Amino acid sequence: ETGVTQSPTHLIKTRGQQVTLRCSSQSGHNTVSWYQQALGQGPQFIFQYYREEENGRGNFPPRFSGLQFPNYSSELNVNALELDDSALYLCASSSRGSPGDTQYFGPGTRLTVL
Amino acid sequence: GIQVEQSPPDLILQEGANSTLRCNFSDSVNNLQWFHQNPWGQLINLFYIPSGTKQNGRLSATTVATERYSLLYISSSQTTDSGVYFCAVGPGNQFYFGTGTSLTVIP
Repeated sequence: ETGVTQSPTHLIKTRGQQVTLRCSSQSGHNTVSWYQQALGQGPQFIFQYYREEENGRGNFPPRFSGLQFPNYSSELNVNALELDDSALYLCASSSRGSPGDTQYFGPGTRLTVL
Repeated sequence: GIQVEQSPPDLILQEGANSTLRCNFSDSVNNLQWFHQNPWGQLINLFYIPSGTKQNGRLSATTVATERYSLLYISSSQTTDSGVYFCAVGPGNQFYFGTGTSLTVIP
C-alpha cells in the first residue's frame, strides 16, 4: 500500500505567476483535501474533492482551484500568485466512511513566492 | 468557523518526563483528531477521538465533548517525540486546526 505523495517538494515562483501542485492519494482512498500551512500556523482548509467533484471549500479566493482525476489523484492550481501564498501546501487523502475519515497527509510542497 | 485553541504553545521537556497538551474548541464537533508534525513537515495521525479515551503505547488522549476540550498525554517522553502537535476538529473531515503545541525533548 503506497502512501500519499506530493510533487514537487519545493517550488519558487514570482508574484503574478501560476502554479500547479500535484497529489497522489493513498491506494483505495476516494477523497482528497488540500490545506495551506503558513509558517508557525496550523494548516488551513482550502477545499476537498470526492469522486472528482468539489465537496467543500474554505475561505480561499477563486484563484485557488483544483481537480481530481478518475484515479483519485489531484491537482491544486493557484493563479496570480501573491507573496502571502508562500506556504507549505499539504494534501490529505481519506476513504469516506472510514472511522473519522482518518486523514493521511502527504509530505507537502513548500512554495516560495518572490 | 470553529475556533481551536491549544496550550501551551511551547514546551521543553527532559527526556523521560510526562506532559499534557490541551485543545479547546468553540463548537460541537463530531470529528476530532490529534496529529504530530515532525521537523520535516510530515503530519502523522495519532488519534481519532471525538469522545472518550484512547491509548496507544506512551500516548493517550481524552476528549470531553460536552465541555469542548481534548487532552493529549505523553508519558516517558523521547527525543523522537519532538515536533508540533496539532488538534484538528470538524463537523466532518474538513478540519479546523489549532496553532499547535511545539514540543522539544532534550536528552
